[in-house]
Amino acid sequence: DAGVTQSPTHLIKTRGQQVTLRCSPKSGHDTVSWYQQALGQGPQFIFQYYEEEERQRGNFPDRFSGHQYPNYSSELNVNALLLGDSALYLCASRITGSDTQYFGPGTRLTVL
Amino acid sequence: KQEVTQIPAALSVPEGENLVLNCSFTDSAIYNLQWFRQDPGKGLTSLLLIQSSQREQTSGRLNASLDKSSGRSTLYIAASQPGDSATYLCAVKNYGQNFVFGPGTRLSVLP
Repeated sequence: DAGVTQSPTHLIKTRGQQVTLRCSPKSGHDTVSWYQQALGQGPQFIFQYYEEEERQRGNFPDRFSGHQYPNYSSELNVNALLLGDSALYLCASRITGSDTQYFGPGTRLTVL
Repeated sequence: KQEVTQIPAALSVPEGENLVLNCSFTDSAIYNLQWFRQDPGKGLTSLLLIQSSQREQTSGRLNASLDKSSGRSTLYIAASQPGDSATYLCAVKNYGQNFVFGPGTRLSVLP
């Protein structure tokens, strides 16, 4: 049983560009959350998707958007990249109603 | 707004020692609290989940306690091993909200 997978592993972009990160949830999971983790800090909640809709959102600007597909996989899109967007982006999945989240290995984004 | 802090920020101990990591939160009306482990540059692995109605949870050499009234949780690691070296994160969930994470405690267990 594959766990949560994320792609790509690493990504380098320049300021002003746009980026798309991808996440496949653990088998049987239908809820996907995205987190941003800056170096030396704990993860910060970006948003959560369930039934292809954004259900909750953290304190992030509209430059951060997402999508969930019918197979429950998800994308995180960031427009107009800033240097401060450099971070590890983590995806987590769970079964709706369950308290336990399973995290993927993350995508390391570097903005130059 | 829920805020989570963790003390100490970093800890270095010799192999075999018992140790305690601390987590504090400002809003005691929590739904649950979870401890995670993170290896460098990697994702998070769930260690223990404590529901708001529980006082503690145990898994192997790990024991987590919860005191909602004082806004505190501790993670006790018995007989530490070099393989325990990692960053330990505490995350708190309030009703209807998503997890709020602390900054983590970076643990080094020396052989």
